Amino acid sequence: QQQVKQSPQSLIVQKGGISIINCAYENTAFDYFPWYQQFPGKGPALLIAIRPDVSEKKEGRFTISFNKSAKQFSLHIMDSQPGDSATYFCAAGKSGTASKLTFGTGTRLQVTL
Amino acid sequence: DSGVTQTPKHLITATGQRVTLRCSPRSGDLSVYWYQQSLDQGLQFLIQYYNGEERAKGNILERFSAQQFPDLHSELNLSSLELGDSALYFCASSVVPDTDTQYFGPGTRLTVL
Repeated sequence: QQQVKQSPQSLIVQKGGISIINCAYENTAFDYFPWYQQFPGKGPALLIAIRPDVSEKKEGRFTISFNKSAKQFSLHIMDSQPGDSATYFCAAGKSGTASKLTFGTGTRLQVTL
Repeated sequence: DSGVTQTPKHLITATGQRVTLRCSPRSGDLSVYWYQQSLDQGLQFLIQYYNGEERAKGNILERFSAQQFPDLHSELNLSSLELGDSALYFCASSVVPDTDTQYFGPGTRLTVL
């Protein structure tokens, strides 16, 4: 049972444009929502994360928007650059004694010149 | 560089064989997670250890087992290998197991022929 649905599967954005990736979750107990960036041949690296007590978190060109009632969260990459070309994974986790992350299926982003 | 090390980087073996993947967490991290990444399944959580004890189990097959040693390094043992076990295996670590930031290693690419 897939608990985190991610879209789109792939995305092509021109340099300077805005990249938007969406995720939806089912488990209302989730209270930690990170985004990971993965370059080919590398492990995923934490990009930015949010908890449900805020609706938006911004770090540089990267912003997470969170909608608790809709059980959705999204990643916005402003002024997208070719160096942002990577696969992005959203994930969700639950505070508690045994946490594990449930990942979305990933979005392959290509930023063209 | 996340500080998590994994060996070997690549592993090629035959069906029916057994292999051991090794992970050293970041200095100070007590919790270790194992994930499997395949093309059709995305990132799947396998198992988590915290300070030597099994903490959580995910979609880990009975043919797979893991352990965390007193020096906190971890090993993932895969036995009776099948073609479908070919995947990238990532180890991640965190300071504590409660939805703390997970830092991923570079992964081990396993190819079963």
